[in-house]
Amino acid sequence: DVVMTQSPLSLPVTLGQPASISCRSSQGLAHSNGNIYLHWFQQRPGQSPRRLIYNVNNRDSGVPDRFSGSGSGTDFTLKISRVEAEDVGVYYCMQSTHWPPYTFGQGTKLEIK
Amino acid sequence: EVQLVESGGGLVQPGGSLRLSCAASGFTFSSSTMHWFRQGLGKGLVWVSRINIVGTSATYADSVKGRFTISRDNAKNTLYLEMNSLRDEDTAVYFCVRDNGSPDFWGQGTLVIVSS
Repeated sequence: DVVMTQSPLSLPVTLGQPASISCRSSQGLAHSNGNIYLHWFQQRPGQSPRRLIYNVNNRDSGVPDRFSGSGSGTDFTLKISRVEAEDVGVYYCMQSTHWPPYTFGQGTKLEIK
Repeated sequence: EVQLVESGGGLVQPGGSLRLSCAASGFTFSSSTMHWFRQGLGKGLVWVSRINIVGTSATYADSVKGRFTISRDNAKNTLYLEMNSLRDEDTAVYFCVRDNGSPDFWGQGTLVIVSS
């Protein structure tokens, strides 16, 4: 199974400041078709997860452009350019290149400092 | 508007069974691969099972293989998860999730508690 490792696990951020979350996979996530199936999810308190980014760097519909994804190989990053209060929650990376199983990182809890 | 509404959760004794349902609307259910994921209380996200669009191919996490069965009724726009031989460690919120190239839209979840 592909192990996904996120850091940090806790991320206190001042409103208006940037934030960055790292996600590393135990093996490369490039599929034989050339795509990289690495995705980011946001789970606000008391809510279901919501996909923010798919295939490394594609924002889902309705996701603010302050969210961006990047990376290749085994190293990936989610960046928030300016954190807003509504961004509080837990962020997960997930890979769907090498399945089964689909695997997630441990989650990064973003809070306002 | 895409909607996934899970039901069927509850309290069950170890060794017992439950059947979860997920009613889908707002998209073409019969054209979408579907999944079940779960989340233990205060814990992370875990994939449970996946089913193809016609229901002929199902895949399971090792932890539930042989105990859980995923199925679908495209005429009723409904996804199911039959859970047997339930264990304490199956306690979690179970989410029904659409696959749109990858898992994208999640239902609100239904809570399953396995306890004596």
